[in-house]
Amino acid sequence: QVQLKESGPGLVQPSQTLSLTCTVSGFSLTSNSVSWVRQPPGKGLEWMGAIWSGGSTDYNSALKSRLSISRDTSKSQVFLKMNSLQTEDTAIYFCTRSKLGAPHYWGQGVMVTVSS
Amino acid sequence: DIQMTQSPPSLSASLGETVTIECRASEDIYNGLAWYQQKPGKSPQLLIYDASSLQDGVPSRFSGSGSGRDYSFSISNVESEDIASYYCLQYDNLPYTFGAGTKLELK
Repeated sequence: QVQLKESGPGLVQPSQTLSLTCTVSGFSLTSNSVSWVRQPPGKGLEWMGAIWSGGSTDYNSALKSRLSISRDTSKSQVFLKMNSLQTEDTAIYFCTRSKLGAPHYWGQGVMVTVSS
Repeated sequence: DIQMTQSPPSLSASLGETVTIECRASEDIYNGLAWYQQKPGKSPQLLIYDASSLQDGVPSRFSGSGSGRDYSFSISNVESEDIASYYCLQYDNLPYTFGAGTKLELK
């Protein structure tokens, strides 16, 4: 069955770079897109960006300058890298896979705290 | 970027009541709209896609409608398990954008 699991450091210092991995199973990255969505504590959802089946990427306009999404299809992994982190980047980060356009399958999420 | 204005921010309902949430897009999104339910500590769950199509396994008391810029989501006969936050998402245009969410509480 389709599964996604996020992993990465729970704590990142301000101004540092966040690196997260989404490990997927039950589907191929060359046939499906994966998006990243984040949610600050007690707040709403924010679509961050996606890597499409062909390998191209799209990003949230507000994060574009700091964000990079890539993948390793042989390892069924998608990577998120975001630099210049600030406290406002404290959030739960989810990776998702779309079905019929809309993000359908979601990982459990990983909490990232930006603090010194 | 397309802005999604979701209302109301919160809603209080009695069991068995029907509730409606609305999302307005800043431009036509051609039915590229989904609705999600999120319970505390859980990942969002897709309920409706393409504005009105019910995701497999989702109870029929959930429904979506709309076109152009204006969309609505309804829950008929609210049950206690429906207490959650609900979000709309437009995926017609990149970047995708979410509404701010609606928190449904029991009256």
